[in-house]
Amino acid sequence: DAGVIQSPRHEVTEMGQEVTLRCKPISGHDYLFWYRQTMMRGLELLIYFNNNVPIDDSGMPEDRFSAKMPNASFSTLKIQPSEPRDSAVYFCATQRTGAYEQYFGPGTRLTVT
Amino acid sequence: GENVEQHPSTLSVQEGDSAVIKCTYSDSASNYFPWYKQELGKRPQLIIDIRSNVGEKKDQRIAVTLNKTAKHFSLHITETQPEDSAVYFCAAANSGYALNFGKGTSLLVTP
Repeated sequence: DAGVIQSPRHEVTEMGQEVTLRCKPISGHDYLFWYRQTMMRGLELLIYFNNNVPIDDSGMPEDRFSAKMPNASFSTLKIQPSEPRDSAVYFCATQRTGAYEQYFGPGTRLTVT
Repeated sequence: GENVEQHPSTLSVQEGDSAVIKCTYSDSASNYFPWYKQELGKRPQLIIDIRSNVGEKKDQRIAVTLNKTAKHFSLHITETQPEDSAVYFCAAANSGYALNFGKGTSLLVTP
């Protein structure tokens, strides 16, 4: 099993640009989580999906952030327009119903200049 | 919502000593408490977890204790080794899905 796959691994963009982060979950995992990690705020849950349906998006910081899961194999987190304070590492994690462990992807390090 | 407090934020111990990290949570409905280890530049990885029907769990040099009445749980690492140096995160969840993480403890084990 390849584990959770995230792309790109690093992204550098200018303020105002659109950024799209991608995640491919482990096959058979029906929960998918997006987290943001910064030194100041730690690991924050942004949104999570179950069976491709968003369950809780209360952690999404503002309307500039949106997430989709069009099918069981793919999810995106989009920031439009991006701002320097969005600079962080964004992790995708997935989990199987009935199991407790969440498996994290390698993360995307986003830098907005 | 759930609020998880973690202490200390940094911890330095000598190799062979024990390390203890403590967390408190606010939501009495939380019933799942995992601990993750994150090495520099890497992803968080689960090292041990405990559910609310258990007071203590041990896996080799690592143990976790849970006090539901006081709403706190702790990670104990014995006989620490330099490779234990990392950031450790506690978390709490209701029904094991949406995790609320503490701010992390940076553990340094010096030879």
